[in-house]
Amino acid sequence: AQSVTQLDSQVPVFEEAPVELRCNYSSSVSVYLFWYVQYPNQGLQLLLKYLSGSTLVESINGFEAEFNKSQTSFHLRKPSVHISDTAEYFCAVSVYAGNNRKLIWGLGTSLAVNP
Amino acid sequence: EPEVTQTPSHQVTQMGQEVILRCVPISNHLYFYWYRQILGQKVEFLVSFYNNEISEKSEIFDDQFSVERPDGSNFTLKIRSTKLEDSAMYFCASREIYEQYFGPGTRLTVT
Repeated sequence: AQSVTQLDSQVPVFEEAPVELRCNYSSSVSVYLFWYVQYPNQGLQLLLKYLSGSTLVESINGFEAEFNKSQTSFHLRKPSVHISDTAEYFCAVSVYAGNNRKLIWGLGTSLAVNP
Repeated sequence: EPEVTQTPSHQVTQMGQEVILRCVPISNHLYFYWYRQILGQKVEFLVSFYNNEISEKSEIFDDQFSVERPDGSNFTLKIRSTKLEDSAMYFCASREIYEQYFGPGTRLTVT
């Protein structure tokens, strides 16, 4: 069965420091990979995605993630975080489900950016 | 920019009561989903829906749950007889091709 592991449940970091949120997945077939962000008291927003092609994908707010097939990882990075990046970050993998697809989720990583 | 909407934002109900959670997916999307997130836990897949039928459902999605697309715009999740453990945030999502777009969620509190 497919699964997603986010190795860190909480990541505290100071403003302007770099951060890496780790994500590993298990799947025997090709997958689409996603990072979603959930700001306090809000819904889930797509941050970035890997479908195919370049293994490095970027978001508009400075985050990037690298798909590593040999290590089955899709870690999320940002070279310099802001207070406003404080949120819950979820890694998810899209897998086939009948004639449809579904998302399998990691447990989430709570990023707390401190001044 | 089109978005998925959900109503109500918060629903409080008594154990044993029926609730209907409503979602309006993005208009040109054909694939629909319900997920739930119990406080402090991971997001869990409940059900996927395509071409007016369920594509897949999880073990959580037992006989107490049902989904319906009653018209061309709404997508509903019904819980027939709510239990305390149904208290959670329920997210609706829709998909055109690859990524799923989520609504803001409905917080269901069962007392």
